[in-house]
Amino acid sequence: EAQVTQNPRYLITVTGKKLTVTCSQNMNHEYMSWYRQDPGLGLRQIYYSMNVEVTDKGDVPEGYKVSRKEKRNFPLILESPSPNQTSLYFCASSLRWSGSSYNEQFFGPGTRLTVL
Amino acid sequence: AQTVTQSQPEMSVQEAETVTLSCTYDTSESNYYLFWYKQPPSRQMILVIRQEAYKQQNATENRFSVNFQKAAKSFSLKISDSQLGDTAMYFCAFIKTSYDKVIFGPGTSLSVIP
Repeated sequence: EAQVTQNPRYLITVTGKKLTVTCSQNMNHEYMSWYRQDPGLGLRQIYYSMNVEVTDKGDVPEGYKVSRKEKRNFPLILESPSPNQTSLYFCASSLRWSGSSYNEQFFGPGTRLTVL
Repeated sequence: AQTVTQSQPEMSVQEAETVTLSCTYDTSESNYYLFWYKQPPSRQMILVIRQEAYKQQNATENRFSVNFQKAAKSFSLKISDSQLGDTAMYFCAFIKTSYDKVIFGPGTSLSVIP
């Protein structure tokens, strides 16, 4: 089954304790992205990657790190989490736009993170 | 920078009726894509419909259709014959054809009333 998986689905942690949220897709997609969702703000892009070893900042990258060492994986790292990073996080993937055809983003199930 | 605005935080509609959700955006780009995503209580993000900016014809997907006004930078979603399963958050989104950043609007919470 084609899917994007995220782990963990729920996480409660404390300020300053490093954590990693994993994201994996099995569709051979080039483009992968992380978003955070907060009430009234919609989804805001944190980082995106156009391919292996190629990453770039979205609109809210502060406090986050990513890496893309393999095509299928795109982990989100919070080196020193703070309470303002409490949010719902989504990973997504898609084929890159090529020519005149666009390929939809497939979203993971979300990770609910609480930082105390 | 691109921005996406959804001016209706909440809406409600009677079952079987028609409802229109509004979305406006700001960009200096000429080539881009626009999307509507649905997020039911399960939190899963589901693509509802998409529109390529270079196409003048409005996209339709079964009961869902859009009114794309490129000059006005408007992209509204019409849901016909509303069903209880349409109850969800709806997000409008924008991406340039160079396919880098994706910009989402703040969302509209739609409730379908039996």
